Amino acid sequence: AQSVSQHNHHVILSEAASLELGCNYSYGGTVNLFWYVQYPGQHLQLLLKYFSGDPLVKGIKGFEAEFIKSKFSFNLRKPSVQWSDTAEYFCAVNAGNSGGYQKVTFGTGTKLQVIP
Amino acid sequence: NAGVMQNPRHLVRRRGQEARLRCSPMKGHSHVYWYRQLPEEGLKFMVYLQKENIIDESGMPKERFSAEFPKEGPSILRIQQVVRGDSAAYFCASSPDLGGSPLHFGNGTRLTVT
Repeated sequence: AQSVSQHNHHVILSEAASLELGCNYSYGGTVNLFWYVQYPGQHLQLLLKYFSGDPLVKGIKGFEAEFIKSKFSFNLRKPSVQWSDTAEYFCAVNAGNSGGYQKVTFGTGTKLQVIP
Repeated sequence: NAGVMQNPRHLVRRRGQEARLRCSPMKGHSHVYWYRQLPEEGLKFMVYLQKENIIDESGMPKERFSAEFPKEGPSILRIQQVVRGDSAAYFCASSPDLGGSPLHFGNGTRLTVT
């Protein structure tokens, strides 16, 4: 079964600091990878996704993620965080299935707190 | 275009009662997924439905839990005889098709069992 590991449960950064959130998955085949964000009191929203092609994916709000197949990783990065980035971030993987639907597996999430 | 609508937002039930959680997918979406988030855990897949069909319920507990997505109306997640361990946030997501479209999530229903 596929699984997703997020290494950091809580991250506290000052504004303008750089961010990198780790994500590793376990599955040997073709995967679709996602990062979702949940702002306080809101629903999950898609930040970015990787299906194929360029392993460096650009998302909304200045976020990017790099798919490294040899490391089974899909780390999320942002060069300079803002207070408004305070949220919980979820890495997710869809390893596919015979039905072709999105049986997405989520990581446990990383709570990011940005201090002004 | 309205997003995925879930209601109620908060639901309190006593042990042994029934909980009914509703989810209206985005307009044009015929694929519905239910996820559960326990405290300090990530979202866990429960069930995937298309109109009038349960496609994959491998993440659903075998007893007390059921889901439906009728031809008309919202998808319903039903929990009978709730226990304290059912307390969690239940999220519904929808997508327009199979394959790569990302999931659109609702705001979730937070179930508290007292």
